[in-house]
Amino acid sequence: QTVVTQEPSLTVSPGGTVTLTCASNTGAVTSGHFPNWFQQKPGQAPRSLIYYTSHKHSWTPARFSGSLLGGKAALTLAGVQPEDEADYYCLLDSGGVWVFGGGTNLIVL
Amino acid sequence: EVQLMESGGGLVQPGGSLRLSCAASGFTFSDYWMTWVRQAPGKGLEWVVNINEDGSEKTYVDSVKGRFTISRDNAKNSLYLQLNSLGVEDTAVYYCARGTATLPGTDYWGQGTLVSVSS
Repeated sequence: QTVVTQEPSLTVSPGGTVTLTCASNTGAVTSGHFPNWFQQKPGQAPRSLIYYTSHKHSWTPARFSGSLLGGKAALTLAGVQPEDEADYYCLLDSGGVWVFGGGTNLIVL
Repeated sequence: EVQLMESGGGLVQPGGSLRLSCAASGFTFSDYWMTWVRQAPGKGLEWVVNINEDGSEKTYVDSVKGRFTISRDNAKNSLYLQLNSLGVEDTAVYYCARGTATLPGTDYWGQGTLVSVSS
């Protein structure tokens, strides 16, 4: 059974850069896992940010970027804004079965 | 404008059933596969099930296999999730989401409907 692991919490200063990662217990994350990233603010539905590792939706701010880094999927926020404080989830496709990571609570302080 | 609106949630006793609906608008529903994702109170997201464009392919998370059934009516632009043999562990907000056009993933999400399983 695939388990996807994310940092439980990260703190970043406004204007700074932070990278969130997404690892799989089955081995290196590749583009074949079709990594997706989502943002969720309190009381709101999740919002899709990134699909297929690095593809952005039309509404995804330019400061968000997705990549593969050291065997993990990664979401980098460059020039963090106060409104980026939220929970972030990654999603991996494991042969048609999807698995979410536990989420990263990003604090902007 | 793409819109997804879930309904059908509520309070149900353990062992009971519910049918969730997701009304889609603003796009050609039959061109997209769809998914249900749930979130228990204070917890993270859990993928539940996917269905392809014509309803011929369905993939479930192991924990709901044999209890939940996804279906769709493309003529009514509607997605459904039949929940049977509910347990307290199924208490969650259930979201429907649209799949991306060509690759695994989602784009638009509904606001969710709350299912509470309690005696």
